[in-house]
Amino acid sequence: SSELTQDPAVSVALGQTVRITCQGDSLRTYYASWYQQKPGQAPVLVIYGKNNRPSGIPDRFSGSSSGNTASLTISGAQAEDEADYYCNSRDSGGSRRVFGGGTKLAVL
Amino acid sequence: EVQLVESGGGLVKPGGSLRLSCAASGFTFSSYNMNWVRQAPGKGLEWVSSIDSRSDYIFYADSLKGRFTISRDNTKNSLYLQMSSLRVEDTAAYFCVRDINILVRGISLGMDVWGQGTTVTVSS
Repeated sequence: SSELTQDPAVSVALGQTVRITCQGDSLRTYYASWYQQKPGQAPVLVIYGKNNRPSGIPDRFSGSSSGNTASLTISGAQAEDEADYYCNSRDSGGSRRVFGGGTKLAVL
Repeated sequence: EVQLVESGGGLVKPGGSLRLSCAASGFTFSSYNMNWVRQAPGKGLEWVSSIDSRSDYIFYADSLKGRFTISRDNTKNSLYLQMSSLRVEDTAAYFCVRDINILVRGISLGMDVWGQGTTVTVSS
């Protein structure tokens, strides 16, 4: 399958920990990457590979994977983390990319 | 500063054509694989196409059905997307995106630089 499935919406209390998941058969073979997108802005890469953060991404963002599920965890969510989050990986053949449908994170 | 700047978007009638451009600066463009990603209004991200650094390997989303062509000119630090037979459902913001230059088994681990996007509207 070339599909990645995400929960449409997740909420978290300010300062608490939240996990956003992404499911797909190709995740058994390929790493996921995660992107944060705020309204009116371009997406920003927050996690890539096994669990790597680009320069400038706070260490409260982390990634993990098990079987067909990749996860993005935000430990101690801040108000500025409210955004849409997308996972991305490869299709089963490895040549094409595919995005999950996105998860809208609300920080309460 | 590493930067990607898209241009060429606009209003086009169904069945028409449009060519998007992306000007890269602040990095060695010829060393990076590149992508186009689009986002319809109020919808999620959709990968459109990718091209490797030397234009040897090119891939497209199956949904495009051969209507789009990606290309690059490393002498001009530019990426292009030629779109033809445009449909209403192609209406979207189109982002030029750089692959991160970290590979595992030859596969890039993500997309680390995004342009601000150019808007394509297909409407009669």
